[in-house]
Amino acid sequence: GENVEQHPSTLSVQEGDSAVIKCTYSDSASNYFPWYKQELGKGPQLIIDIRSNVGEKKDQRIAVTLNKTAKHFSLHITETQPEDSAVYFCAANVGSKAGSYQLTFGKGTKLSVIP
Amino acid sequence: EAQVTQNPRYLITVTGKKLTVTCSQNMNHEYMSWYRQDPGLGLRQIYYSMNVEVTDKGDVPEGYKVSRKEKRNFPLILESPSPNQTSLYFCASSLQGKGTEAFFGQGTRLTVV
Repeated sequence: GENVEQHPSTLSVQEGDSAVIKCTYSDSASNYFPWYKQELGKGPQLIIDIRSNVGEKKDQRIAVTLNKTAKHFSLHITETQPEDSAVYFCAANVGSKAGSYQLTFGKGTKLSVIP
Repeated sequence: EAQVTQNPRYLITVTGKKLTVTCSQNMNHEYMSWYRQDPGLGLRQIYYSMNVEVTDKGDVPEGYKVSRKEKRNFPLILESPSPNQTSLYFCASSLQGKGTEAFFGQGTRLTVV
């Protein structure tokens, strides 16, 4: 099955700096890669996603890049703010399971933005 | 408001006492799933359902049951809970098909003593 590795597990940055979280996946048939943000006491919420037919996607201060050949994708947050502090999860769909939509998640990155 | 609602939010129970965690979504989504979240292990899928009466095992199904009798509801059943099922549980739903956003509930924190 799909295996998703996420690094780092914790990340501290100064307010205004950039943060980068990286993930690798194993299933070459995966074609959907979402990123979720989980704030304390809440469920994960989608912040950005990318499909395998594009290499990069940007939404204001957040961007995701995908390298299908190397099977890795990354989340980039620029000009970080204290409200960006949360746990971030990457995920990849189980592309090889025909007709299904199943996500495999990374183990998460706890991002702390220091004011 | 589009949402996934889980109940209860917090539950403490004893080993062996059957319990059900309910999940309901109001978005007419075909696909629903249950995850458990444990420190250092991230989110692991327990069971999922592609539509009414269609369910399948995820990565960690042992000790759990589910049912999907109606499109909007997807309860998680622990017939005989054990302490290793102490965890934070999330229900999620999405439109059918690959590559669509999953909406998560607020979570249920279960403690089995």
